[in-house]
Amino acid sequence: AQKITQTQPGMFVQEKEAVTLDCTYDTSDPSYGLFWYKQPSSGEMIFLIYQGSYDQQNATEGRYSLNFQKARKSANLVISASQLGDSAMYFCAMREGKGNKLVFGAGTILRVKS
Amino acid sequence: EPEVTQTPSHQVTQMGQEVILRCVPISNHLYFYWYRQILGQKVEFLVSFYNNEISEKSEIFDDQFSVERPDGSNFTLKIRSTKLEDSAMYFCASLERERGTDTQYFGPGTRLTVL
Repeated sequence: AQKITQTQPGMFVQEKEAVTLDCTYDTSDPSYGLFWYKQPSSGEMIFLIYQGSYDQQNATEGRYSLNFQKARKSANLVISASQLGDSAMYFCAMREGKGNKLVFGAGTILRVKS
Repeated sequence: EPEVTQTPSHQVTQMGQEVILRCVPISNHLYFYWYRQILGQKVEFLVSFYNNEISEKSEIFDDQFSVERPDGSNFTLKIRSTKLEDSAMYFCASLERERGTDTQYFGPGTRLTVL
């Protein structure tokens, strides 16, 4: 069974608008962490934002915010005021296991249009 | 700002040859990881390493793979006899344990091409 599901293979957004990238997860562990990474065409993995399962508030980092709905097991990434440089692949990931490995979703390709 | 580095950025090898991929994690990090990403696919966990031993490994990480921390800075992944299906981007990551975030920071990756 998929532990991290990203249902949007690709998304388009107009420059300066906001966009939401969906992520749902599955775990029975009460303590977990959720992450979003950006992978531009150059290939590197860039950490964007983190949400802990016990965090009371949604995480925010600059133009990135995480819409965490624990009961629905969703952790959607919201990018406000999109920029052309936001065009990239975005991966949702969950930390699990004793070694704290990351389990990744399939990713969403975001294209920002001018 | 400290970062994870990886060498080489691209390696081409013949099937059956041994390769060693090198990583220098962030200096005060204690947990190290290898992941791989086959072209166009998602990132997959290979192995985690802590206190000079493997803490967890995936089913991908079979006897052909090994990891080592030969000194205080380097972390290596060795593939003993490469196969065509080992062609992928290999990422090293190290873990920051600060404020309980357990954020893993990734290196730029090594693209391995097996011919």
